[in-house]
Amino acid sequence: GNSVTQMEGPVTLSEEAFLTINCTYTATGYPSLFWYVQYPGEGLQLLLKATKADDKGSNKGFEATYRKETTSFHLEKGSVQVSDSAVYFCALRGGSNYKLTFGKGTLLTVNP
Amino acid sequence: GAGVSQSPSNKVTEKGKDVELRCDPISGHTALYWYRQSLGQGLEFLIYFQGNSAPDKSGLPSDRFSAERTGGSVSTLTIQRTQQEDSAVYLCASSLESGSSYEQYFGPGTRLTVT
Repeated sequence: GNSVTQMEGPVTLSEEAFLTINCTYTATGYPSLFWYVQYPGEGLQLLLKATKADDKGSNKGFEATYRKETTSFHLEKGSVQVSDSAVYFCALRGGSNYKLTFGKGTLLTVNP
Repeated sequence: GAGVSQSPSNKVTEKGKDVELRCDPISGHTALYWYRQSLGQGLEFLIYFQGNSAPDKSGLPSDRFSAERTGGSVSTLTIQRTQQEDSAVYLCASSLESGSSYEQYFGPGTRLTVT
């Protein structure tokens, strides 16, 4: 079946540091890949997505590239802000299977 | 427009009682999903509706869990004879499921605590 493995953290960074959160997946066929973010006290929000190999999703300064050869979708941001503190979830949706399969989530704390 | 709404936002119940959780999807969204978020298990899929039908119930953890959807809109997740391990945040999501528009939009969740 489908599975997602992501760096569990927690990750603590200083403001303006570079962020990478690793995500790898196992799936049959050609899944779509997502990063969701959950800010404190709020619901899950879609951060970015990529639907085919070599696609790059980007939003709010975050980027992730769909790498089929390494089955990865690592999240990156060049300069994090305190407001980026949240839990980040990597997820996939595989083929005709409509449900999302999530990683365990990574808690990011950014200190001023 | 309005997003996905869920009620109640918090529910505390005694072990053995039944609970009903409600989800109002975004208007016009044909697909509706229930997920559960708990510390030990992360985010788990429970059930998927397309219209009023549930083609995938594979994530329901036991026969104490059931869900229905009426009028292609509101959905209710029912947990009978609640157990402490049912304590979690129950999330609902909806999507359009049309062409490339399959992005799932999540509600704020219902936090269930079984004492």
